[in-house]
Amino acid sequence: SQTIHQWPATLVQPVGSPLSLECTVEGTSNPNLYWYRQAAGRGLQLLFYSVGIGQISSEVPQNLSASRPQDRQFILSSKKLLLSDSGFYLCAWSVTSSYEQYFGPGTRLTVT
Amino acid sequence: QKEVEQDPGPLSVPEGAIVSLNCTYSNSAFQYFMWYRQYSRKGPELLMYTYSSGNKEDGRFTAQVDKSSKYISLFIRDSQPSDSATYLCATHNYGQNFVFGPGTRLSVLP
Repeated sequence: SQTIHQWPATLVQPVGSPLSLECTVEGTSNPNLYWYRQAAGRGLQLLFYSVGIGQISSEVPQNLSASRPQDRQFILSSKKLLLSDSGFYLCAWSVTSSYEQYFGPGTRLTVT
Repeated sequence: QKEVEQDPGPLSVPEGAIVSLNCTYSNSAFQYFMWYRQYSRKGPELLMYTYSSGNKEDGRFTAQVDKSSKYISLFIRDSQPSDSATYLCATHNYGQNFVFGPGTRLSVLP
């Protein structure tokens, strides 16, 4: 069966510090991978998606970046965090032509 | 106009009540419609899906899509306190990304 992992679960970082969030998927090959941000009381905002290694599409201009160094690994990064980067970050995967998208447990980021 | 709209609630009902959750969408090209349940501080989990118009039933849950009015519904029968969560509707079309509504927060009171 497929499993998706995210870490860390919780993170408190000062403004201006770097960020690295990691997501890995097990039990499937060549998944589509996604990073979403969910602000308190708001919906899911798609940040990045990837259909393959090294292929990243950005949905929203911001100070965040994403990389996919391996087939089942997706990393979200920032060189300098802003207060507005606080939120609940979710990684998700799906397979092409499928309506099914599965989410990881999320990382709660607080920028102070 | 947002692509998917949903009343954020909160919606409070007594245990055993029938719950109706609704979304509207704007893009008539959407073909797949999903409902996700998200418990507090957890990732969303896929609850149900439907393709095009029609109904789908799974236990106490029924998903309904009316493409003519671009309306999506989720009905929960005999609601339980464990159903208390945020419910997100989502749409998808082949080759396009998933689009989510903002979610409706549901509380089922014992």
